[in-house]
Amino acid sequence: GNSVTQMEGPVTLSEEAFLTINCTYTATGYPSLFWYVQYPGEGLQLLLKATKADDKGSNKGFEATYRKETTSFHLEKGSVQVSDSAVYFCALGSGAGNMLTFGGGTRLMVKP
Amino acid sequence: GAVVSQHPSWVICKSGTSVKIECRSLDFQATTMFWYRQFPKQSLMLMATSNEGSKATYEQGVEKDKFLINHASLTLSTLTVTSAHPEDSSFYICSASLPGTYEQYFGPGTRLTVT
Repeated sequence: GNSVTQMEGPVTLSEEAFLTINCTYTATGYPSLFWYVQYPGEGLQLLLKATKADDKGSNKGFEATYRKETTSFHLEKGSVQVSDSAVYFCALGSGAGNMLTFGGGTRLMVKP
Repeated sequence: GAVVSQHPSWVICKSGTSVKIECRSLDFQATTMFWYRQFPKQSLMLMATSNEGSKATYEQGVEKDKFLINHASLTLSTLTVTSAHPEDSSFYICSASLPGTYEQYFGPGTRLTVT
């Protein structure tokens, strides 16, 4: 079956530090990959996506590259801000039913 | 981007009563909507998949008679928690998928507290 594994948090960084949140997956076929962000008390927002191998998704300074050879989709940002503090979820879509499989989430805390 | 609304954003009810939560896709038609439950500091747990005009598909362990889902139109799905108990207190989130894609757009969530 499909599964997503992402690094456990919390990840605590100082403002302007470099961010990497690891995400690896197991899936049949060729999944679509997503990163979602959840701010406290809110639903999830789509941050970026990639639908085929070697695609790079990017948004708001965040990037992730679909690496089929390593089955990974790591999230990166060159310089984090306090406002980036949130929980980040890696997800994949594959198979019938349009369902997504989510990772466990990684809480990011950015200190001034 | 696609917008999904959810109402109410929070609700407090007494044990034994029923609560209805609405999920609407505001600017696109969603043939498929999803209902999730999220416990504090945990990931989302898929409860059911709701397809317009047909019965919802529930995940294993989710009581379909307790969590009634209706998807009467392409822009509206409802979740009714029947005979609520304190253990049903949780954050409920809906999402709608763009037709033909895995891309889901999420509502802001509903916090249910059963006293």
